[in-house]
This record gives sequence, structure tokens and C-alpha cells, in this order.
Amino acid sequence: NAGVTQTPKFRILKIGQSMTLQCTQDMNHNYMYWYRQDPGMGLKLIYYSVGAGITDKGEVPNGYNVSRSTTEDFPLRLELAAPSQTSVYFCASSYKAQVDNEQFFGPGTRLTVL
Amino acid sequence: AQTVTQSQPEMSVQEAETVTLSCTYDTSESDYYLFWYKQPPSRQMILVIRQEAYKQQNATENRFSVNFQKAAKSFSLKISDSQLGDAAMYFCAYRGGNNAGNMLTFGGGTRLMVKP
Repeated sequence: NAGVTQTPKFRILKIGQSMTLQCTQDMNHNYMYWYRQDPGMGLKLIYYSVGAGITDKGEVPNGYNVSRSTTEDFPLRLELAAPSQTSVYFCASSYKAQVDNEQFFGPGTRLTVL
Repeated sequence: AQTVTQSQPEMSVQEAETVTLSCTYDTSESDYYLFWYKQPPSRQMILVIRQEAYKQQNATENRFSVNFQKAAKSFSLKISDSQLGDAAMYFCAYRGGNNAGNMLTFGGGTRLMVKP
């Protein structure tokens, strides 16, 4: 049971490039989330999904897109990367039926846009 | 919208002593959950402790305990017998009871340093 895995661990992009951050969970969780963490700050929600085929915006969705074709995978797409998207990105998942819906986090992807 | 505030950017504690990290939140909901997460230098987010708002009893997990004051909207974390491995960023987080996506709102974090 690997939990939540993210790839890549690190990435440097040039302004205007695009990329996809991968996230997979093997816990059969309904809910999945993408957060970003800017230096010295807390996590902010980008997008979330309550099940395959269902996604919705969080607090800071501009410049990102997501899809959820399977229960396990929740990729985050960056189009036209900008320096403001330099951050650490965390994927998380939780199980709807669990009372307090504890979120389990992946190890993060450090992205730098130059 | 809910907000979570951690007013202490940094705290320091001597090994084996006790330290308290502060967290306040703003909400109009009566049913919600509160969490403390630890983020060591590895960046991995680790759940430390959770509290359901409808429970009056403060949650405890080994050396970690909370002081939950619902009327004051305060949720502080007490770490007893501090260990070097407790050094990390600590984040307070809120989840509303009627939150369809069970999303978390995080505070800005407190960096805890433990002196040997």
C-alpha cells in the first residue's frame, strides 16, 4: 500500500511551457485534492474531486486544469507556466465514509518556473 | 469564508519542556473539524491530532493535546516533553461540517525549533 504518490519530485520549467503533475492513490479514496504551498506559507486548495468525472475549483484555480477519469488518478495540468506558479504542490486524498475525512498527503512536487 | 490564523511564525522550546502553539479560526458553522498537521523538513504532511467541534473533551494523542475553546474559536496545540524530532512546521486546519468536498483551510504555519 503506497498511499498517495506524486511525480515528479522536482521540476524546472521555462515561462510559457506546460506540464502535468501526476498523482495516484491506492486507497480507493473518493476524494482527491491539489494544494499549493508557497514559501513560508500554508497550503491553498487549487482543485478537488469528489469522484471520477467530477471536479471543482478551490481557492486558487487560475492557470491550472484537472481531470479525474479514474478513482486512482488526479493529474494537475499547468498551461503557460508563469513565475507566480513557482511553489510546492501537494496532492491529497480522503475517504468519504470516514467521519472526520482525514486527508492523506503525497510527498509533494517542487516546481520552479524561470 | 472560513479563515485560520496562526499568530506565531516561530516558536522555540528546550528539549523535554512543554510548548503551546496557538490557532484561531473564524466560522459561522456549529459543526466542524479541526486538525493539526506536522511538516518536517522532508515536506511530508503528517496528521498530529484532530478535534470534532461537537465534542467538549479535548483530544489527546500521547504527548500532544489540544485546548479547544469553541466560544473563543481557539484551538491550541500543546506538546509535552518536547523531543528533537518535534522540530517542524505545524499547521492548523479547519474543515466545515457541511463542506461538500471536505476541503481543508490551513493557517500560515508555525515553525517550531527544539533546542538540545
